[in-house]
Amino acid sequence: QVQLQESGPGLVKPSETLSLTCTVSGGSVNSHYWSWIRQSPGKGLEWIGYIFYTGATNYHPSLKSRVSISVDRSKSQFSLRLRSVTAADTAIYYCARECRHGTCLLDGFDIWGQGTMVIVSS
Amino acid sequence: EIVLTQSPATLSLSPGERATLSCRANQSVSNYLAWYQQRPGQAPRLLIFDASNRATGVAARFSGSGSGTDFTLTINSLEPEDFAVYYCQQRSSWPGTFGQGTKVEIK
Repeated sequence: QVQLQESGPGLVKPSETLSLTCTVSGGSVNSHYWSWIRQSPGKGLEWIGYIFYTGATNYHPSLKSRVSISVDRSKSQFSLRLRSVTAADTAIYYCARECRHGTCLLDGFDIWGQGTMVIVSS
Repeated sequence: EIVLTQSPATLSLSPGERATLSCRANQSVSNYLAWYQQRPGQAPRLLIFDASNRATGVAARFSGSGSGTDFTLTINSLEPEDFAVYYCQQRSSWPGTFGQGTKVEIK
């Protein structure tokens, strides 16, 4: 079965770039939509953005100027980069597979990574 | 951005009781609504999609209803593992937003 695993630094300094990678095992990234979602006490669950296997992306309007998501099909990985971070970016970051009608028989985030805590602090 | 309001914030019930959770949108999302369960220390888990369809492997005691702006998640006869936080998510327009959650706790 498909499994996702996030990896990356747990501590990032303010104004620097947060970089996380999600490794897909038991399947490939050559189909479906692949998303990053974060969860913080202050903002709850927030969908950061997604990448389709074709490379098409879409980002949350409030983060669009700072975020990029990319995919490496050879490694079955997709990655998140969030620039110029502040304490407000402190959160648990999840990667997830998104199913949509046309790509799956259901609609929603059907597979999640376990999440990784990222703290922004000097 | 569509705002989802979940109520109540906390629901205190005993095992075996029925839980009724509400999710209200500030504009119509048709039936493009999903429900997730999150247990402590775990990622959310998809329960219901398209307002009323159970995801693969979800117990029959979970049911969803509603359309437009008002939605309900019902859990019949709560099991110990059902005590968790539940989130709704609208998937009608980008960005798909989440409600703030309802915690179902043991009374």
